[in-house]
Amino acid sequence: ELKVEQNPLFLSMQEGKNYTIYCNYSTTSDRLYWYRQDPGKSLESLFVLLSNGAVKQEGRLMASLDTKARLSTLHITAAVHDLSATYFCAVDSYTGANSKLTFGKGITLSVRP
Amino acid sequence: KAGVTQTPRYLIKTRGQQVTLSCSPISGHRSVSWYQQTPGQGLQFLFEYFSETQRNKGNFPGRFSGRQFSNSRSEMNVSTLELGDSALYLCASSMMGQGISEQFFGPGTRLTVL
Repeated sequence: ELKVEQNPLFLSMQEGKNYTIYCNYSTTSDRLYWYRQDPGKSLESLFVLLSNGAVKQEGRLMASLDTKARLSTLHITAAVHDLSATYFCAVDSYTGANSKLTFGKGITLSVRP
Repeated sequence: KAGVTQTPRYLIKTRGQQVTLSCSPISGHRSVSWYQQTPGQGLQFLFEYFSETQRNKGNFPGRFSGRQFSNSRSEMNVSTLELGDSALYLCASSMMGQGISEQFFGPGTRLTVL
């Protein structure tokens, strides 16, 4: 059974500083997704990573995927308050067209002045 | 383009009752997946429907069921509600399937079981 671990589960960030959060998973997969969730809201798709070495950037966030290490990182550059939210990674364990996403527990980021 | 819609947004039921939740996917999307989100268990996959067929299923009891109609709209049903069923139920639509193509989530239905 695929296990997805995110760490740390909570991160207090200082405005203007850089941080990296991690998503590890237990079985081979080259499909990984990052989502953001604000309190009381639904999930917003951030990044779709579909191959080893994939790197995507949007604003202050950059996500990468290393399928050999079974690891994805989400790098935050110069944190700002608007980035405070919970971030989930989800890994697809698929065989053929049969696909299933397993989510991590999420990392709650809080940016302080 | 309209997003994924879910109705109702909030629901309060009592133990033993049953409930039906509805999800309308983005136009052109054929896959609808359902998830349960709770503080303790996080986000857990319930099932996925594609072209009216259940394509994949998570580890939930048979009280949880679903279906998809020819217009891709989907419903999920929970019978004999238990307190532990209180959760945010999210549906997500994608063009080809939950892992194959990007998923877009609806706002969720918050179910409270008393």
